[in-house]
Amino acid sequence: DVKVTQSSRYLVKRTGEKVFLECVQDMDHENMFWYRQDPGLGLRLIYFSYDVKMKEKGDIPEGYSVSREKKERFSLILESASTNQTSMYLCASSFSGVGSTGELFFGEGSRLTVL
Amino acid sequence: DQQVKQNSPSLSVQEGRISILNCDYTNSMFDYFLWYKKYPAEGPTFLISISSIKDKNEDGRFTVFLNKSAKHLSLHIVPSQPGDSAVYFCAASADYKLSFGAGTTVTVRA
Repeated sequence: DVKVTQSSRYLVKRTGEKVFLECVQDMDHENMFWYRQDPGLGLRLIYFSYDVKMKEKGDIPEGYSVSREKKERFSLILESASTNQTSMYLCASSFSGVGSTGELFFGEGSRLTVL
Repeated sequence: DQQVKQNSPSLSVQEGRISILNCDYTNSMFDYFLWYKKYPAEGPTFLISISSIKDKNEDGRFTVFLNKSAKHLSLHIVPSQPGDSAVYFCAASADYKLSFGAGTTVTVRA
């Protein structure tokens, strides 16, 4: 059974704190993604990675950075958390190559509240 | 600028009836279109997809229709069941990236 695991389901942080969100997939997928979900805005892409040590900005990268040191692990970092980063964060992975439809496999999400 | 739009934020339907969810897109380079279902506090799960070279794909109670000339797709759920109550996201794929709509919340009434 395919699995994307996010390290924390619920986090509460204070403004200015550094926040790490970890994601691990066991499907040997090349591609990994971080989205945030907000009511009325759908899922917006923050960063993605096509390979180890590679990263690309998505639609809303400001205030975020990422790290991909191993194929199975993709971390999202908030260097200095702000209240407008309170959101549901979703990690996903997909494979590249013949037959790929772009289907993403999602983790269960991390609900971050910044006070 | 949002490339995938779901203009109906909510839909209420009676159990047993058909649910029709709509989605519009602007980018002609999208090669696959997908629908995801999401329950509260869970990650989205894949429902059904369609290639840009097809106009219909069916999987059990779920059928997706694609009208490329209108840049429009729709998801039909028939018959609707209480477990279908969830948020449905339309997504479109280009270069292995998915762009999502804002979602439609479906409520199935008993």
